[in-house]
Amino acid sequence: QLLESGGGLVQPGGSLRLSCAASGFTFSDYVMSWVRQAPGKGLEWVSGISNSGGSTYYADSVKGRFTISRDNSKNTLFLQMNSLRVEDTAVYFCAKEQYSIIVLWGQGTMVTVSS
Amino acid sequence: DIQMTQSPSSLSASVGDRVTITCRASHDISNYLAWFQQKPGKAPKSLIYAASSLQSGVPSKFSGSGSGTDFTLTISSLQPEDSATYYCQQYNTYPWTFGQGTKVEIK
Repeated sequence: QLLESGGGLVQPGGSLRLSCAASGFTFSDYVMSWVRQAPGKGLEWVSGISNSGGSTYYADSVKGRFTISRDNSKNTLFLQMNSLRVEDTAVYFCAKEQYSIIVLWGQGTMVTVSS
Repeated sequence: DIQMTQSPSSLSASVGDRVTITCRASHDISNYLAWFQQKPGKAPKSLIYAASSLQSGVPSKFSGSGSGTDFTLTISSLQPEDSATYYCQQYNTYPWTFGQGTKVEIK
C-alpha cells in the first residue's frame, strides 16, 4: 500500500514537500516514482529514484525545481517541490516500480498552486 | 523524449462490442509498453506490461499486442465496468511518457 500526504494550497513561487508512506512490501527493494495529473488532463511522469536512492531522474518540466528522495529506514518516499508554478497544480501519485514497470499506485494528494 | 500518441481520443461502444485502442511511439521502444485503466476520481490501475502480459488479477478480456512503435489494447467484450480512460506508457527510456488517454464510454 502507498499513502501520499503533504498536498495543499500554496502560492506561486512557494514550496511544498510530499510524502509517500509504503507498507506491505520491502520498500528498499523497489524503484519508486512520482506521477501527476492536472485537473481534467492526462498522466505525466515527474520523477523516479533507484531503490538505494543513488540515482534520480526528472521530467524536464520539473528539473532544477523538484527533488526526489527516500528514507528506506522509514519506508517513505519524498518529493520536495520548490519554485512552484500554477501549472504544477495536479494530483500527485506515488508509484512502485518493478523492473521499470509501474505495478502499484497510491491514491494521490492534491497540490494547488494559486495566489 | 519519446512521444506516445493514442487513438482515438474517445469512443462510444455497446455492451459486448470488441474495442481496440492504438498507441504509437515516436521511437522504437521494443516491447517496453504498459497500459493503465483509470476511472474518475481514482488512481490508475495497471492492466498490461511488456506490451502483452496481463498483470495479476486482470481479466482475460483485456489483451495487448505490438512491438517497436505500434501497439494495441483490445477489450474483447465490453462491459459497463470497463467505462474508463485508458493510457499507454513507455518505460524504454527516461523520462517515462504516457499517451494522452482514450476515454471509453458505453452507448
